[in-house]
Amino acid sequence: SQQGEEDPQALSIQEGENATMNCSYKTSINNLQWYRQNSGRGLVHLILIRSNEREKHSGRLRVTLDTSKKSSSLLITASRAADTASYFCATGLNNNDMRFGAGTRLTVKP
Amino acid sequence: EAGVTQSPTHLIKTRGQQATLRCSPISGHTSVYWYQQALGLGLQFLLWYDEGEERNRGNFPPRFSGRQFPNYSSELNVNALELEDSALYLCASSLGGTGTQSRYFGPGTRLTVT
Repeated sequence: SQQGEEDPQALSIQEGENATMNCSYKTSINNLQWYRQNSGRGLVHLILIRSNEREKHSGRLRVTLDTSKKSSSLLITASRAADTASYFCATGLNNNDMRFGAGTRLTVKP
Repeated sequence: EAGVTQSPTHLIKTRGQQATLRCSPISGHTSVYWYQQALGLGLQFLLWYDEGEERNRGNFPPRFSGRQFPNYSSELNVNALELEDSALYLCASSLGGTGTQSRYFGPGTRLTVT
């Protein structure tokens, strides 16, 4: 069963715009991770945020975590056509388990 | 440093046959995870191996099985193949200990059952 739910399911923007994707989860976590998947390929780890952190940056990526609302957001600034991919959140649970959401399909138009 | 490798890249089988998929983790990683991703869908967790032992199993029938070898490589076996087993099978590895470490994924094996 899936723990995380990404929103929206699909997002289409113009190059240069910012893209925001959200993830909500149901149970307590010890970390939350974001991954990217280019069409038909393996996932690439983007960023990990621990449950005691509220915000983390990596290049053009900014992740926030609100444990009181059980939600996280991934912001990609100044998007590029190469950012076109599916983005998944994964929640690291306290029982040593990890669950992936269904993903957000991002299309960046040149 | 070599990443996670999977073989074969593509596999075509007939309903009722058996399929064997292989995965080699990143050097130093002791945990291997298997996921099934049907076309256009999210990842469904199959199996987690660490230090040669099965640590956790997803909600799949027993005809999905696997093992981890002493060199930490892993094999996924799917018996009595059904049409709905057609999917991309992804292997990932991580440092061992807990199941919440960052995953490093291989390119996947595309299994087609006809």
